[in-house]
This record gives sequence, structure tokens and C-alpha cells, in this order.
Amino acid sequence: GAVVSQHPSRVICKSGTSVKIECRSLDFQATTMFWYRQFPKKSLMLMATSNEGSKATYEQGVEKDKFLINHASLTLSTLTVTSAHPEDSSFYICSASQAGQGVSAFFGQGTRLTVV
Amino acid sequence: AQTVTQSQPEMSVQEAETVTLSCTYDTSESDYYLFWYKQPPSRQMILVIRQEAYKQQNATENRFSVNFQKAAKSFSLKISDSQLGDAAMYFCAYRSGRGGAQKLVFGQGTRLTINP
Repeated sequence: GAVVSQHPSRVICKSGTSVKIECRSLDFQATTMFWYRQFPKKSLMLMATSNEGSKATYEQGVEKDKFLINHASLTLSTLTVTSAHPEDSSFYICSASQAGQGVSAFFGQGTRLTVV
Repeated sequence: AQTVTQSQPEMSVQEAETVTLSCTYDTSESDYYLFWYKQPPSRQMILVIRQEAYKQQNATENRFSVNFQKAAKSFSLKISDSQLGDAAMYFCAYRSGRGGAQKLVFGQGTRLTINP
């Protein structure tokens, strides 16, 4: 299967600072990437859909000014958690797929964010 | 909106035995895809098996097979000859068959324990 790399795998930041998470498709071009959030022992909840060269589409209830998404190239999408607070601590996972080249989504390794 | 329901929060099975994980979904679409993903303790999401709704034949991948009942909107996963490495969270997921990259809608997950 295709490879999606997410970095960093773990990050600890101070409350009020911003942190950037990268999601890269290593062996294919991803016109669309998805960002999910997973709480402990819970399922994945879609936060936003990231489209290359255009604005991200956010799910209802997700603050677009807090969770900034940039998809500037066909292999890289970034999620920036701005002015992070302890309640933003969570596991964030990205996935990527490309229309016309299979319907399966491939996932990054995830990022555990801890805000102290 | 589509929904996916996994009614078994936890399941356990003896090593080498067979276990079936349940999943039901709700949709008004006729074209869609269903998936089972495995999330081991590493939290990396791994695609286990995929089923296209237009196919009547149940998908099979080695020890993993599905029972796809389209009319009943049921999509169960059978794991044969369970192995210790099968222990993980299992998520059932739905994807629309509409063109372009589409998001996944996940069920709540089933934690599978393998007893040696």
C-alpha cells in the first residue's frame, strides 16, 4: 500500500504556543488529505478535509482559526494548532488518498499532542 | 448523513479460534465502500479488508473475511485462526462511492483481545 508519513509522532508544547504537524504522502500524489482527532479509547473524528491548492473544508464544530490547515503541494499537508490549550491535547491522525487511484485511504502514524 | 455502528465495545477469543466482529451502517446511497481497519497499540491505522457495495461476493484476505449483507446494511468481519498479533482496536468504516476523494465515517470501534 501507499505510504503516508506524519511528523512528529509526539510533541509537548506549552499552553498558548502553536504547534505544526506535517503529513506527507511518500510515494503518491495526494490531492486530498484528511485530518482526524482521536480521544482515548474513542473513534476517529474527522476535523477537516484538506484539498491541494484550495481552502480546507472543516467539519461542524471545528474552529478553523484554531486548527489551521495548509495543503500547498501534492505531497504535504500541515495542521497547525494555534494558541494551544490543555483541552487540545489529543491524538491527531492524517490520511491521504487520490481520486482515480484506488478508494482506500492510507494513514499516517499519528501525532500525540500534549499541551502543558 | 451516513452512520456506522459497532455494537460490541469489546470482544475476546482464544488463540487459534474464530471471532466475528459486527458492524451495521445506514446510508441512502447505492454506491459505496466499506472497510475494516485495525489499530494496534502503536495506533497506526492498518487497512484489513475492503468491500465494494456493487460486488455480491464477500471480500477475503487470508484469515480475514467479511459477511456483507447489503439489504440488511450489515458488514461483519470474521477472523479465523486468531493470532496474538490480531489483538487491536478494529474500526468499521464507510466511504461514499461518489467521485473524488471521500472521507471515511468510522464506527465506535471494537477492542479485540486474544487469549493465549
